[in-house]
Amino acid sequence: AQSVTQLGSHVSVSEGALVLLRCNYSSSVPPYLFWYVQYPNQGLQLLLKYTSAATLVKGINGFEAEFKKSETSFHLTKPSAHMSDAAEYFCAVSDPSRGSKVIFGPGTSLSVIP
Amino acid sequence: DGGITQSPKYLFRKEGQNVTLSCEQNLNHDAMYWYRQDPGQGLRLIYYSQIVNDFQKGDIAEGYSVSREKKESFPLTVTSAQKNPTAFYLCASSNKVYNEQFFGPGTRLTVL
Repeated sequence: AQSVTQLGSHVSVSEGALVLLRCNYSSSVPPYLFWYVQYPNQGLQLLLKYTSAATLVKGINGFEAEFKKSETSFHLTKPSAHMSDAAEYFCAVSDPSRGSKVIFGPGTSLSVIP
Repeated sequence: DGGITQSPKYLFRKEGQNVTLSCEQNLNHDAMYWYRQDPGQGLRLIYYSQIVNDFQKGDIAEGYSVSREKKESFPLTVTSAQKNPTAFYLCASSNKVYNEQFFGPGTRLTVL
C-alpha cells in the first residue's frame, strides 16, 4: 500500500534562511508526487508536481523539490524563507494505475521567524 | 475561470439536523472527492467518485452520504448519525492523467 510520511509536524525557520520540508513515500511503482500549500481557512493549492520527467521540479513561489528514487524521497526546499511562506504543507502521492485515490501526508506547519 | 466552488463558506447547524454541503466544478474532471480536516490535522477522505452515478467510501464515511448525478456536482450530506461533525470540509476534483487534485475553498461547518 502507498503511504507518505513527513518528518517534523512543525518546522521553524528564520526569515531569509533555507526552508527544507521532508517527504518520504512508499510505493511499489514510481508514483506521481505533489506538494500542496494551505493557508489558514483556505483550500489546498498545488506548489509543484513530479510526473516522471525531470527529477528536479520547480514550482511556484520559489519552491522546488527533488525526486530521489533510491531514497524514496521528495523533499521540498526554498533558498530563502519569506514571511508569506508561513503555512501548512502537504506532500501527496498517487498511482493512477491503482485508481483515483491520492494519499496525503500528515502535513508540516511552517513558521517563519522575523 | 475554471475551478471548484464550495458553498457556503461558513455553515451553522443545530445538533441532530442533516446538512448538505455543495461542491461544483467546471474543470471537466471525472473524479471528485470530499475530505474532512480537523484543527492541526491532515486530510481524511470521506467519499470519492470516479465517474457519474458511482462513488466509493473513503476512510471515514460513517455518518456521511453523497450523490453524483452530474459530472459537475458532488454534494455531501452530513447526517445526524455523524458523531462529531464540526470540521473544515474540502472538496476536490482531479484529472485521470496524474490524479492531480484541485481544491475548493472549503466549508467550515459548526454544529451547535
